[in-house]
Amino acid sequence: SQTIHQWPATLVQPVGSPLSLECTVEGTSNPNLYWYRQAAGRGLQLLFYSVGIGQISSEVPQNLSASRPQDRQFILSSKKLLLSDSGFYLCACRGDANYEQYFGPGTRLTVT
Amino acid sequence: KNEVEQSPQNLTAQEGEFITINCSYSVGISALHWLQQHPGGGIVSLFMLSSGKKKHGRLIATINIQEKHSSLHITASHPRDSAVYICAVETSGSRLTFGEGTQLTVNP
Repeated sequence: SQTIHQWPATLVQPVGSPLSLECTVEGTSNPNLYWYRQAAGRGLQLLFYSVGIGQISSEVPQNLSASRPQDRQFILSSKKLLLSDSGFYLCACRGDANYEQYFGPGTRLTVT
Repeated sequence: KNEVEQSPQNLTAQEGEFITINCSYSVGISALHWLQQHPGGGIVSLFMLSSGKKKHGRLIATINIQEKHSSLHITASHPRDSAVYICAVETSGSRLTFGEGTQLTVNP
């Protein structure tokens, strides 16, 4: 089964600073990968998804970007963080056999 | 109106009670997911279903495609079931749209 690693677990960054969150996946090849955000008191929202290396689809206009430099690596970035970027960021992949989505442990980002 | 509506938003139960959480959606879907989010934020997939009914232990999930409605049932609830339960519908490209979640608290 798939295992998803995310780091860091928590992050406090000042407004205007850059961001890089990394997600790596084990136990599968050529997975569909996803970045979700959960803002405080709100539901999960899909930010980006990728069906292959270098292929990124953005779901909502925002201050963030994503890249997939390797098959099992998915990176979420920002050049200049905003207060509204605070939230809980989850990386996920779709299972090979059963198509369920598997979630990483998440990164809690606080922009101050 | 959200594409995925869950009810109730909050639910408090006594240990041993039968619990039902409902999910209604308004779009065409390829599958529906039930997820469990623990206090630390970690999310676990409970079920993915596109028709009928599935059962894992004390958890049962049903879906009615015609009525665009799904339910998650927990039998003989236990305090360790306390968590946020999230309904999500899968559309094209296996993208998920999420409900707001149901906060379940089971008291001993």
